[in-house]
Amino acid sequence: GAVVSQHPSRVICKSGTSVKIECRSLDFQATTMFWYRQFPKKSLMLMATSNEGSKATYEQGVEKDKFLINHASLTLSTLTVTSAHPEDSSFYICSASGRASYNEQFFGPGTRLTVL
Amino acid sequence: DQQVKQNSPSLSVQEGRISILNCDYTNSMFDYFLWYKKYPAEGPTFLISISSIKDKNEDGRFTVFLNKSAKHLSLHIVPSQPGDSAVYFCAASANDYKLSFGAGTTVTVRA
Repeated sequence: GAVVSQHPSRVICKSGTSVKIECRSLDFQATTMFWYRQFPKKSLMLMATSNEGSKATYEQGVEKDKFLINHASLTLSTLTVTSAHPEDSSFYICSASGRASYNEQFFGPGTRLTVL
Repeated sequence: DQQVKQNSPSLSVQEGRISILNCDYTNSMFDYFLWYKKYPAEGPTFLISISSIKDKNEDGRFTVFLNKSAKHLSLHIVPSQPGDSAVYFCAASANDYKLSFGAGTTVTVRA
């Protein structure tokens, strides 16, 4: 149980385009979803927290207009990187927690974004 | 401001021996601690956790120890196996469900 998927696993795009990453909880209802970014050999940095049906809460320093987060259902959250630039290239990971595991987050496999 | 610190970036241990990973934290509001295991190009996998009301939690080969007064926790893996080779992240939360992660320790288990 507690499987979280991400799509796509890898994406390459041109500078200036927008990229959407999906995060799905496959076998449980995710009341809260989190989006992280990981730089090479660095820790996971929390970008934002989203609860189903409400606006995401962004961490300090994260541009909400650049990283659009939608949590439309209890099993799906999306992260859209708008007008992507090479410095947005990174490994993006989502996680989800449900009512029965509020203190534990289950992570997706991550999405490698490369902006040319 | 790194609230969770893993000061050892890497650890090499012989198969069958004990692996000890250390983690320190600065936020006294943290009340729940977790260890995650991560392989390259994959998301972290939950390994074991401990609440601040306990000082030890054991699950098979994995044991986590918590020393609240020292704001220190450790993960013991015994015996270490080749499949344990991965990056291990320490994480902590303060009742707001948000996790703060350490920078990770890369464990290499030698045959």
